[in-house]
Amino acid sequence: DIQMTQSPSSLSASVGDRVTITCRASQSISSYLNWYQQKPGKAPKLLIYAASSLQSGVPSRFSGSGSGTDFTLTISSLQPEDFATYYCQQTYSAPFTFGPGTKVDIK
Amino acid sequence: EVQLVESGGGLVQPGGSLRLSCAASGFAFNNYAMNWVRQAPGKGLEWVSIISDSGDSTYYADSVKGRFTISRDNSKNTLYLQMNSLRAEDTAVYYCAKGLVGATTPSFGIDSWGQGTLVTVSS
Repeated sequence: DIQMTQSPSSLSASVGDRVTITCRASQSISSYLNWYQQKPGKAPKLLIYAASSLQSGVPSRFSGSGSGTDFTLTISSLQPEDFATYYCQQTYSAPFTFGPGTKVDIK
Repeated sequence: EVQLVESGGGLVQPGGSLRLSCAASGFAFNNYAMNWVRQAPGKGLEWVSIISDSGDSTYYADSVKGRFTISRDNSKNTLYLQMNSLRAEDTAVYYCAKGLVGATTPSFGIDSWGQGTLVTVSS
């Protein structure tokens, strides 16, 4: 099975900051990497699929990059509504494992 | 608008069984793969299972393989998860989730989620 790791596990940032979250796969997953945002008590929301494709309706301040084993989610200018937990997920090979999550909170 | 409504959750004793259902609407159900994803209280997301658009391909997490069975009825726009031999560690909110495409693996993630149904395994 493919293992996913994320770093950092949590971070504190201010509104307007540029935020970068990293996800690493234990083996190559090509570009089959997705990013989700989850707020407390809510279902997750798809932000990025296929490593860099922005899901419809998601603000352009979110972007994704990477291929193979190393991937990045970037929020160019953090907004108040972006404080949440972010998960990566590989969908290259079942089982489709999620990363452990990165919690972004207010500095 | 895509709507996914789960039902069937509740309290069950260890070793017991439960069947979750997910009623889908607002999209062509028979054109998309469907997933179950769970989240234990205070924990991260755990992918559970996927079924292809036609129902002929299924995959499972190692933690549920041999105990859980995913199925679908495209004539009723409904997804199911039969859960047997339940354990305390299966306690979680279970989400029904729509795939971006019809195939199972490789795939392109999940673009719609239900509100979740809580399954509690306890004596």
